[in-house]
Amino acid sequence: DIQMTQSPSSVSASVGDSVTITCRASQNVNSNLAWYQQKPGKAPKLLIYAASGLQSGVPSRFSGSGSGTDFTLTIHSLQPEDFATYYCQQANSFPYTFGQGTKLEIK
Amino acid sequence: EVQLVETGGGLIRPGGSLRLSCEVSGFTVRTSHMSWVRQAPGQGLEWVAVIYNVDTIHYGDSVRGRFTISRDNSKNTLYLQMNNLRTEDTAVYFCARDMGRSPKYYYYGMDVWGQGTTVTVSS
Repeated sequence: DIQMTQSPSSVSASVGDSVTITCRASQNVNSNLAWYQQKPGKAPKLLIYAASGLQSGVPSRFSGSGSGTDFTLTIHSLQPEDFATYYCQQANSFPYTFGQGTKLEIK
Repeated sequence: EVQLVETGGGLIRPGGSLRLSCEVSGFTVRTSHMSWVRQAPGQGLEWVAVIYNVDTIHYGDSVRGRFTISRDNSKNTLYLQMNNLRTEDTAVYFCARDMGRSPKYYYYGMDVWGQGTTVTVSS
């Protein structure tokens, strides 16, 4: 199985800051990677598909990059509603796997 | 309106069986790829299973041989039959529409999710 490792596991930031979350795959997943945002008690929300594609309706302050084994999710100019947990997910091979999550907290 | 509504969760003893349902509205389950994803209390997301529009099916390692994903096209509903349940299957179970992959290695993600249904396996 492909292991997805996110770093950091948690990060504190202030409104207006920029944050970058990293996701590393244990083997090549090409661009078969998605990013999700999840708030407590809610379902995940798709932010980024195909490693860098912005899902419809998602603010442009979210961006994704990478290919192969190393990926990043960057959030510019953090807004109060961005404080949540973020997950990467690979879909290059079965079983699909998620990273362990990165909790973004308000400083 | 595109919507997924999961039902069927509850408290079940180890070794028991449960069937989850995911009622789909706003699109056709027959022509879509559909996944189940679960989340244990306080934990991260775990992919469980997918059924493609051509009936290809894949399972996660921890549920293969115990869980069965299926759909009823006439009811526009996705199911997850869970047998021989274990305490570690305790989780919120989400159904999601999976947009699949293009031939150029581009995965389009799971773009529509239900609200989840809670399964508790305990004696």
